[in-house]
Amino acid sequence: DAGVIQSPRHEVTEMGQEVTLRCKPISGHNSLFWYRQTMMRGLELLIYFNNNVPIDDSGMPEDRFSAKMPNASFSTLKIQPSEPRDSAVYFCASSLRPDRGEKLFFGSGTQLSVL
Amino acid sequence: AQSVSQHNHHVILSEAASLELGCNYSYGGTVNLFWYVQYPGQHLQLLLKYFSGDPLVKGIKGFEAEFIKSKFSFNLRKPSVQWSDTAEYFCAVNFFGNEKLTFGTGTRLTIIP
Repeated sequence: DAGVIQSPRHEVTEMGQEVTLRCKPISGHNSLFWYRQTMMRGLELLIYFNNNVPIDDSGMPEDRFSAKMPNASFSTLKIQPSEPRDSAVYFCASSLRPDRGEKLFFGSGTQLSVL
Repeated sequence: AQSVSQHNHHVILSEAASLELGCNYSYGGTVNLFWYVQYPGQHLQLLLKYFSGDPLVKGIKGFEAEFIKSKFSFNLRKPSVQWSDTAEYFCAVNFFGNEKLTFGTGTRLTIIP
């Protein structure tokens, strides 16, 4: 397996534009997580899915952020409209049974810069 | 709500020094505890984890961590660090039966040759 695949690796956009980040989890993994990493706040959990269903989106900053998982092999995180304070590295991770202590496998992240 | 505290934001050590990074979590029942590491330019990877059993857990590259339930702590240790240990270290916790994994804010470790 190629691991968790995220795209794009880097995204530079202007304030107000829509941004879509993509993630392909490891085949067979039931849980998918979206994290945001910044210098000030470290790794923040934005949302996670279990069997394609959003379970906890309490970390989503505001209504400008939305996430979907239409099937077991694909998820998107959308920001509309984007703002400079959204600049961060966004990580996707998947796991088979995190509730049983199974580790998360992380993607390489998307470095987002909003100008 | 579950939470994790890492009190050391940036630690600078010389090679061969001993390392201990602190991690405390909020009370919440039976826990799974993890340390992840992020080397420069790379994604996060698991260093070690505690699921059950022996509270002293050994991980890769000579790292170990001890789960002390009475102190709600899971400190990371290494007796002699190397320059290649320069990285950011994250403690994480989830509660047994819950998929949600919460990370601390991370500790940046810089090893001086």
